[in-house]
Amino acid sequence: DQQVKQNSPSLSVQEGRISILNCDYTNSMFDYFLWYKKYPAEGPTFLISISSIKDKNEDGRFTVFLNKSAKHLSLHIVPSQPGDSAVYFCAGVIQGAQKLVFGQGTRLTINP
Amino acid sequence: DAGVIQSPRHEVTEMGQEVTLRCKPISGHDYLFWYRQTMMRGLELLIYFNNNVPIDDSGMPEDRFSAKMPNASFSTLKIQPSEPRDSAVYFCASSLSLAYEQFFGPGTRLTVL
Repeated sequence: DQQVKQNSPSLSVQEGRISILNCDYTNSMFDYFLWYKKYPAEGPTFLISISSIKDKNEDGRFTVFLNKSAKHLSLHIVPSQPGDSAVYFCAGVIQGAQKLVFGQGTRLTINP
Repeated sequence: DAGVIQSPRHEVTEMGQEVTLRCKPISGHDYLFWYRQTMMRGLELLIYFNNNVPIDDSGMPEDRFSAKMPNASFSTLKIQPSEPRDSAVYFCASSLSLAYEQFFGPGTRLTVL
């Protein structure tokens, strides 16, 4: 039972445009979410996070939006750059249960 | 800090052999995680420790897999006996808490022939 889902395995975006990566979750007990970026042959690196008490968190070109009623979060990258081409994972934390769940990942390709 | 250290970086072994992967977390981090990445299943959490104690091992595929953390600076993931379907990249990560960013090691690429 996948509690955190990234339904798009891949996404292709033109350089300079906005990239939107989506993530859905099934358990309302998640209280914290994180996004990671992974380049080939490297470990994932932390990108941005958001607490369930917020609906938006911004860091430079990266913004994460959380819609609790829809159990949906999204990562916006604007403007997209070629260096953003990577696999992006979202993850949710259920603090009370000490549970951490990752999505399957979305491969983002930025075309010049 | 040197970051999370994993060894070996590459391991090629034959089916049926025992494989031991090693991890040294970042000093001061209370949480240690083991992940497996495959094309089919993406990034899977296998097990994680808090203060050297295993908290959630529900991702461990079967009894052939075991993980230990004898002290705060060392952890092992052992596969015995190994099978070709265990071929994957195994990552170790550490963090200050579940909700803090995890720092990943470079991974161990395991190939079981």
